[in-house]
Amino acid sequence: ILNVEQSPQSLHVQEGDSTNFTCSFPSSNFYALHWYRWETAKSPEALFVMTLNGDEKKKGRISATLNTKEGYSYLYIKGSQPEDSATYLCAFGPGTASKLTFGTGTRLQVTL
Amino acid sequence: NAGVMQNPRHLVRRRGQEARLRCSPMKGHSHVYWYRQLPEEGLKFMVYLQKENIIDESGMPKERFSAEFPKEGPSILRIQQVVRGDSAAYFCASSKDREDGYTFGSGTRLTVV
Repeated sequence: ILNVEQSPQSLHVQEGDSTNFTCSFPSSNFYALHWYRWETAKSPEALFVMTLNGDEKKKGRISATLNTKEGYSYLYIKGSQPEDSATYLCAFGPGTASKLTFGTGTRLQVTL
Repeated sequence: NAGVMQNPRHLVRRRGQEARLRCSPMKGHSHVYWYRQLPEEGLKFMVYLQKENIIDESGMPKERFSAEFPKEGPSILRIQQVVRGDSAAYFCASSKDREDGYTFGSGTRLTVV
């Protein structure tokens, strides 16, 4: 059974704050690490697909880093806005399997 | 490009009936994945299909559940003789290649009464 852990479980920040969350996954047999954003009443939306150790990806104010040797990824949001409020999911894809195993997510709430 | 289409959005079934959930992947996507979200839990993998083939069904309960992705038409997740514990949100996702991020549908909320 693959264990994908996300922390914190939930986070409440003020508009303008920068924040980050962690995803930890098995460090052996790595293939890919995905990040998704899931707004209430919508479907999960892909943010990043990361495959190489040391990868850093950026999309606007959101960025992610990857350390496959120690089995963790960080997602950063700079200058949080209320529209960033969502659940952020990471998902691990091992080398031989064909499916992603999702973490339970970090629920972010950004208030004015 | 319509995205991943799932229907119905909501489905109510009595215990013992059959539930059929449909998923049309994005145009050009040949990989389809079904996930289930039980109340207060995360997304759990059920099955991965490519056209006419089941690639990985390790997350499917052994009995009552089946999935297909025919040459023509949508992928179908079928649950026979539903029980209350089957009540959940069922999400379908598709990708063009295995290495790509998934595009998710809006899900089907199944309620068994």
